[in-house]
Amino acid sequence: SQTIHQWPATLVQPVGSPLSLECTVEGTSNPNLYWYRQAAGRGLQLLFYSIGIDQISSEVPQNLSASRPQDRQFILSSKKLLLSDSGFYLCAWSVTTDTQYFGPGTRLTVL
Amino acid sequence: QKEVEQDPGPLSVPEGAIVSLNCTYSNSAFQYFMWYRQYSRKGPELLMYTYSSGNKEDGRFTAQVDKSSKYISLFIRDSQPSDSATYLCAIETGANNLFFGTGTRLTVIP
Repeated sequence: SQTIHQWPATLVQPVGSPLSLECTVEGTSNPNLYWYRQAAGRGLQLLFYSIGIDQISSEVPQNLSASRPQDRQFILSSKKLLLSDSGFYLCAWSVTTDTQYFGPGTRLTVL
Repeated sequence: QKEVEQDPGPLSVPEGAIVSLNCTYSNSAFQYFMWYRQYSRKGPELLMYTYSSGNKEDGRFTAQVDKSSKYISLFIRDSQPSDSATYLCAIETGANNLFFGTGTRLTVIP
């Protein structure tokens, strides 16, 4: 069966510090991978999605970036965090274009 | 206009009640309709999935889609305290464009 992992689970970072969140998927090959941010009362905001290694689309312009160095690994990064980057970050995967399955999430607080 | 509109609640019901959660959408191209359940501080988990108008039942849960009215619903029968969570509707065109509602927070009171 497929499993998706995210780490860390929680993170507290100062403004201006770098960020690296990691997501890995087990039990499937060539998945579509997604990064979302969830803010209270605002639902899920798609940040990036990837249909293959080094094939990444950005949905929202911001100071975040994503990379996919391996088929089942997706990384979300920032060189300098802003206060507005605080939120709950979710990684998801899919094989078809419809149903997505989510990881446990990373709660990021920028102080 | 948002692609998907969902009443954020919160919604509180007594144990055993029937719960109705609803979303409306604007784009008739949407083909796939999903409901996710999200417990506090956890990732959303897929609860129901359907792609046609009508009802789909899974245990105590029924997903209903009315494409003519662009309206989807999730019914929970005999609600339990363990159903307390945020429920998100999600709608997809089939071209990798998945749109989520903002979620409805449900509390089932014992």
